[in-house]
Amino acid sequence: GQQVMQIPQYQHVQEGEDFTTYCNSSTTLSNIQWYKQRPGGHPVFLIQLVKSGEVKKQKRLTFQFGEAKKNSSLHITATQTTDVGTYFCAVNAGNNRKLIWGLGTSLAVNP
Amino acid sequence: SAVISQKPSRDICQRGTSLTIQCQVDSQVTMMFWYRQQPGQSLTLIATANQGSEATYESGFVIDKFPISRPNLTFSTLTVSNMSPEDSSIYLCSVGLVADTQYFGPGTRLTVL
Repeated sequence: GQQVMQIPQYQHVQEGEDFTTYCNSSTTLSNIQWYKQRPGGHPVFLIQLVKSGEVKKQKRLTFQFGEAKKNSSLHITATQTTDVGTYFCAVNAGNNRKLIWGLGTSLAVNP
Repeated sequence: SAVISQKPSRDICQRGTSLTIQCQVDSQVTMMFWYRQQPGQSLTLIATANQGSEATYESGFVIDKFPISRPNLTFSTLTVSNMSPEDSSIYLCSVGLVADTQYFGPGTRLTVL
């Protein structure tokens, strides 16, 4: 079945440093979604990318969808302690509207 | 978006007992999902809760162990039956909204002794 690989699994940065997490698929994706889960919390929808080469920004977060629609990235500029959490990518599994989830990247930020 | 509540928020249960988790949504939704998440791990889909019909279970999950009800478009329950310590996990319900984005309840943290 369809899978999505997400790297790195963990990232530890100093506050103010940048952070990037990547998701890759062997098949062309119709779209990709990104979620954030704070420690002790539940996943929260951040954004959905649909178009080839699409770039979307949310304040210090930049989301990209590859030209071939097989990969995506989430980049955080100048991390803050409020960015701590696990970032998941998720892709649609097909007509049944289920999502297939990446393993997540856990971000720790040293103040 | 949707406002989703889950009850209980946490519970500690004895081996061999069952626990029913409730998920309530503030609006009518077609798609509801139940997930399990082990600490530090990704989400594992248990089943899709279908209104008016049996739930659709993922590989490795069976109805006898995880019976699901979906009596209407705003409510669903998941029962964890005959629990063992391996069932200790966080159980999350979610609803599918526009363009298949999902919104999650706060989760139920289950510990089985």
